[in-house]
Amino acid sequence: NAGVTQTPKFQVLKTGQSMTLQCAQDMNHNSMYWYRQDPGMGLRLIYYSASEGTTDKGEVPNGYNVSRLNKREFSLRLESAAPSQTSVYFCASSQPSYSVEETQYFGPGTRLLVL
Amino acid sequence: GQQVMQIPQYQHVQEGEDFTTYCNSSTTLSNIQWYKQRPGGHPVFLIQLVKSGEVKKQKRLTFQFGEAKKNSSLHITATQTTDVGTYFCAGPSNTGNQFYFGTGTSLTVIP
Repeated sequence: NAGVTQTPKFQVLKTGQSMTLQCAQDMNHNSMYWYRQDPGMGLRLIYYSASEGTTDKGEVPNGYNVSRLNKREFSLRLESAAPSQTSVYFCASSQPSYSVEETQYFGPGTRLLVL
Repeated sequence: GQQVMQIPQYQHVQEGEDFTTYCNSSTTLSNIQWYKQRPGGHPVFLIQLVKSGEVKKQKRLTFQFGEAKKNSSLHITATQTTDVGTYFCAGPSNTGNQFYFGTGTSLTVIP
């Protein structure tokens, strides 16, 4: 099992350009998440999807859109990139359960620089 | 809104010294999770605590959940260079659909 995979690993954009970050998981998890990580800020939730076909805003959704394409895939789109979106982006997935530990599994991250 | 705070932000210790990071939530949590992120890596799940006052151990790591279920701590005994990284706590939202991560504590171990 590959777990959670993300593409690309690195990306440099110019202000105003658009791009889509891809995420896929092969653990049959219902829930998927997009976080951004900035120095001193920890991990902040951008969007999440509790199940296929549903998406909800997290703490910092402005400037982003998401698509839960199917149970496996959850993409994050920047329509018009801004320097403030320079960050490391992590995708994660989990299987909600009240009886066992609900572990979040993270992908390797995408390092994005917006000039 | 719901907040999860963590202190200290940074900690430098000599190898062999102990280390503790503290996590405080603005709301009562149904459970709390701890993650470790190595430099350049991604967060990796360590443990989940569910019960009030719960204490769990993993070798040299001791995790504690407060009686009021609003705070937690991670204590590492006799740190080693392999302990280097950032430790995060995370608590679920009231709806349980999302997690709020603490700001993390970056641990440096000096050989």
